[in-house]
Formats: sequence, structure tokens, C-alpha cells
Amino acid sequence: EPEVTQTPSHQVTQMGQEVILRCVPISNHLYFYWYRQILGQKVEFLVSFYNNEISEKSEIFDDQFSVERPDGSNFTLKIRSTKLEDSAMYFCASSAAGTGGRPAYEQYFGPGTRLTVT
Amino acid sequence: AQSVTQLDSHVSVSEGTPVLLRCNYSSSYSPSLFWYVQHPNKGLQLLLKYTSAATLVKGINGFEAEFKKSETSFHLTKPSAHMSDAAEYFCVVTGGVLTGGGNKLTFGTGTQLKVEL
Repeated sequence: EPEVTQTPSHQVTQMGQEVILRCVPISNHLYFYWYRQILGQKVEFLVSFYNNEISEKSEIFDDQFSVERPDGSNFTLKIRSTKLEDSAMYFCASSAAGTGGRPAYEQYFGPGTRLTVT
Repeated sequence: AQSVTQLDSHVSVSEGTPVLLRCNYSSSYSPSLFWYVQHPNKGLQLLLKYTSAATLVKGINGFEAEFKKSETSFHLTKPSAHMSDAAEYFCVVTGGVLTGGGNKLTFGTGTQLKVEL
């Protein structure tokens, strides 16, 4: 069964460093998402991406964050200068095309990357 | 704006007894609702979805949920719990008005289900 994969599973970085979290969505999916879950808190939406551009982003997704689909398979989240409060589990998700040019309701999630900023 | 409230942060049941995980939603539009499950050190797995068709929705592993508009609820049930059901369960809502560029999911705070022998 196709699945979303994410690498690395765990990343430790120092404050101020740049990190890139990588995701390989399901191959025929067209809509891509990043969410994060700070320990003990809710899963929060960060950004959605379609047709090579951001379609929606949350207040959390400020200028230090960026997303990219550098080739036909990968989807990346870059954090330019990490802060202690960026420590969280980051989930990538993807969804297929639905009807009427809209995304399907279901989103399929990867296993997550645990980012620890020290 | 949309939101979900999971009424119990922890639920403990004995193996073989029924499971009830409660969720209430708030949405300006007709919502789509989901339950996701997260086993330890695993990703989020879709259990079931409601998207304005039948109000009683069946999912994987014997779980089901009923959409009740009058009560703004979408509770998750299973007739008989199994040890392997122990996990965290998330009630999730997305807006009824879909944009062309993607659907933002709004998660509840999660319910940790413990299954005892």
C-alpha cells in the first residue's frame, strides 16, 4: 500500500541553524501539507501546497519557514534559523485530487520527524 | 472558523468491553469529520471519515462513528476493545467550503485510549 515517508525520523540541531525536513508524498497525490505537534499539544496546520505554490498557511508559518517541491517526488520544509520553540514533531501529509478540481477529503500522513532544537 | 472538542483526554476500558470516545465539533459550514489514530512512534492513520453522506460511518478495525447534527457530535465507538486498540485518537474537522488549493485539518487535543486485561 502506498505511504508517505519522511526523513530523518529524528533531527537534533542547535539554535540558529537551518534544517530541512524531507517528505516523499504518495506518488499520484497533488496536494501537500505540513503539520506540527509540540509535545503535549495539538497537531497544528502549518501550510498547504498545490501546483507549485503555497495555497494556505497558518500564522505559525512565518518568514523563517519555506516549502519546496524540488523534483517530482520530494516535498521539503525548511526552517532557516531554528529556535528552541521549533522543537516538535513535524508531519507531512498528502491528498489526491477529488471531484470538481478540489482535493480529496482524506489526507495521508507520514510517520513524522521529531525535531529537537538545543 | 471550525474546531473540535474531545471531551476526555484519557479513557480506560477492559479488553472485550465497548469503547466510546467523544467529540463535539463547531463549524460555520457543513463539516467533514475524521478520526485518526496514532500508535506509539507511528504516524497518523485515518480510521474513518464523514463527508455528508451516510451519518453512520464505518471505519477500519471495527470502529464506527455517528454524525449527529442536532448534537454537533461525532463520537467514535467500537463494540469490543482489543489490546491493539491502545493508542491516541484524534477527532479532526475540515471546512465544508473547500478551496481549490487544499484542506486545512483542525485537530482535537486527542484522547489516549488504554485497554486493560
